[in-house]
Amino acid sequence: GENVGLHLPTLSVQEGDNSIINCAYSNSASDYFIWYKQESGKGPQFIIDIRSNMDKRQGQRVTVLLNKTVKHLSLQIAATQPGDSAVYFCAEKPENRLAFGKGNQVVVIP
Amino acid sequence: DTGVSQNPRHKITKRGQNVTFRCDPISEHNRLYWYRQTLGQGPEFLTYFQNEAQLEKSRLLSDRFSAERPKGSFSTLEIQRTEQGDSAMYLCASSLSYQETQYFGPGTRLLVL
Repeated sequence: GENVGLHLPTLSVQEGDNSIINCAYSNSASDYFIWYKQESGKGPQFIIDIRSNMDKRQGQRVTVLLNKTVKHLSLQIAATQPGDSAVYFCAEKPENRLAFGKGNQVVVIP
Repeated sequence: DTGVSQNPRHKITKRGQNVTFRCDPISEHNRLYWYRQTLGQGPEFLTYFQNEAQLEKSRLLSDRFSAERPKGSFSTLEIQRTEQGDSAMYLCASSLSYQETQYFGPGTRLLVL
């Protein structure tokens, strides 16, 4: 039978183009959100975070947008590079734990 | 390297055996978290410590699982009588209690045969 868990949504992007990864969260009480990048065989690596009192935050080549009305989070990566190829997870933090969403795989085409 | 470290990185064991994993957090971080990740899924919370106190445990943490942080520094996660369903990546993260960001270690990949 099919193992649905192995089929991650995949975004294929040309090197140099911008990438947008979307995430829906579930808990209206969450006041903190974070994006992680995970390469094969490694632990999640912190990219950028945002608190619920903000709707946009920028980092180096990355921007996170938060829409609390529809409980939606997005990660924008500018000028995508081959090293950006990985699985990206969003997570929300309603209390002390992180609750992760389903990952999105980004494949950068040289 | 001042990041979170985990040992061993890989562990293969036979069903029914006990295994123990170790996590060394970032040195000044007083919070330490354990998560489990299966293939294609995001990490799932297991438990967390503030200093040596275990403050929260997930329902995922069955009675075969036990975690300790005796001196408020490193932590161990033990799985007794391993089952094939325990095969997963076990991740440790740490943070400061007054900061939200959790930093993850490289994980211990467990395979139960």
